Amino acid sequence: GAGVSQSPSNKVTEKGKDVELRCDPISGHTALYWYRQRLGQGLEFLIYFQGNSAPDKSGLPSDRFSAERTGESVSTLTIQRTQQEDSAVYLCASSNLAGEFDNEQFFGPGTRLTVL
Amino acid sequence: AQKITQTQPGMFVQEKEAVTLDCTYDTSDQSYGLFWYKQPSSGEMIFLIYQGSYDEQNATEGRYSLNFQKARKSANLVISASQLGDSAMYFCAMRAHLNFGNEKLTFGTGTRLTIIP
Repeated sequence: GAGVSQSPSNKVTEKGKDVELRCDPISGHTALYWYRQRLGQGLEFLIYFQGNSAPDKSGLPSDRFSAERTGESVSTLTIQRTQQEDSAVYLCASSNLAGEFDNEQFFGPGTRLTVL
Repeated sequence: AQKITQTQPGMFVQEKEAVTLDCTYDTSDQSYGLFWYKQPSSGEMIFLIYQGSYDEQNATEGRYSLNFQKARKSANLVISASQLGDSAMYFCAMRAHLNFGNEKLTFGTGTRLTIIP
């Protein structure tokens, strides 16, 4: 497909379990971003990748959150020992204009995570 | 640090009327960009319009225009001739042009716009 894809679209897990969320960016996009959107809220930045390095991971809320990226393609966001407050929609975005002022980020449909 | 404030949690507008969605921002950065995104009920984020802090002209994209008032730190989105398909959440966001590594967008809490037929 032409857009950013994310999987799974929905994930229900039990408190304390680990989860992995996947993001496939638009082909050719060197920059990749993860955001979190809690119910009724705006998006919170988590981490930014340029290629497979992460110049900015300042938004990761705790050491239970980690992310990696393979080259300039797939990224995985891992949440260990999930807590109920981790319940949110996790959105991935990609762009090919990182460093440009008008860097438009293209968003995926998100993964809705529910921690019981 | 940057902060975006959207003071209208919800708005109802008659179809074909124009609507203004408010956005104010706070930053100490001299160079920055402002973005508006639309989020329909399906959940995807759709980019609408961009305004750079040094742009002298207000940005326009079709029915969307940005009323940028730098001294007041406001970047209101104006939608002309509203349509039923405009019903969605609208988010204002900004990014400081600090250096290559600073790419994150800071978002407001959004405004839910409902167009009434």
